[in-house]
Amino acid sequence: QMKLVQTGGGVVQPGRALRLSCEGSGFTFANFGMHWVRQAPGKGLEWVALIWNDGTNKRYAEAVKGRFTISRDNSRNMLYLHMSRLRADDAALYYCARDQGIGTRRILDQWGQGTLVTVSA
Amino acid sequence: DIVMTQSPDSLAVSLGDRATFTCRSSQSLLYTSDNKNYLAWYQQKPGHPPKLLIYWASTRESGVPDRFSGSGSGTDFTLTISSLQPEDVAIYYCHQYYSSPYSFGQGTKLEIK
Repeated sequence: QMKLVQTGGGVVQPGRALRLSCEGSGFTFANFGMHWVRQAPGKGLEWVALIWNDGTNKRYAEAVKGRFTISRDNSRNMLYLHMSRLRADDAALYYCARDQGIGTRRILDQWGQGTLVTVSA
Repeated sequence: DIVMTQSPDSLAVSLGDRATFTCRSSQSLLYTSDNKNYLAWYQQKPGHPPKLLIYWASTRESGVPDRFSGSGSGTDFTLTISSLQPEDVAIYYCHQYYSSPYSFGQGTKLEIK
């Protein structure tokens, strides 16, 4: 069945970088846009980034623009979030999520299990 | 940016009763070229990722029980659970996908009375 399995995350010092990964299986990964959404502890959901199915278009939340980069490797069914210059307010549970379409639908129909990022000195 | 506001912040309903959630957007989510409202609802249970319930404001996702329904258009939307079940205890989020950044409401926490 369809699955998104996330890896990466952990504790990182402010100003440092970290990469999150998300592996898709059970569906044709290259046909779907992908998103990252985060949730700070005890808080609501915050959309972070979107990448089209073929990687040609990307969108970012203002809070991460210029610091985070979303990318994908369709040959490996992998989605990535490269996070740099991390700040305390980037600490959150990060989810990858599948777009119902190529990236133009923006309906998040399947979600990974989440991976925790802690930013602390 | 579009701001999504949900009300109430929390809701306590008796089993078998109706639960109603409201979501308001700071600008219309109705795209006139396709006459669709770019609004979805998600359910999140503790310790779990969100689950898609409703999209296009009123289209139920496959596998979602028919006690869940969505309505509304433009800037005002409603999610209704017709007869509350114990497994419906969760936080419910509305989400606009009309324009980037694709914002969520702050969530409404549903409890059993």
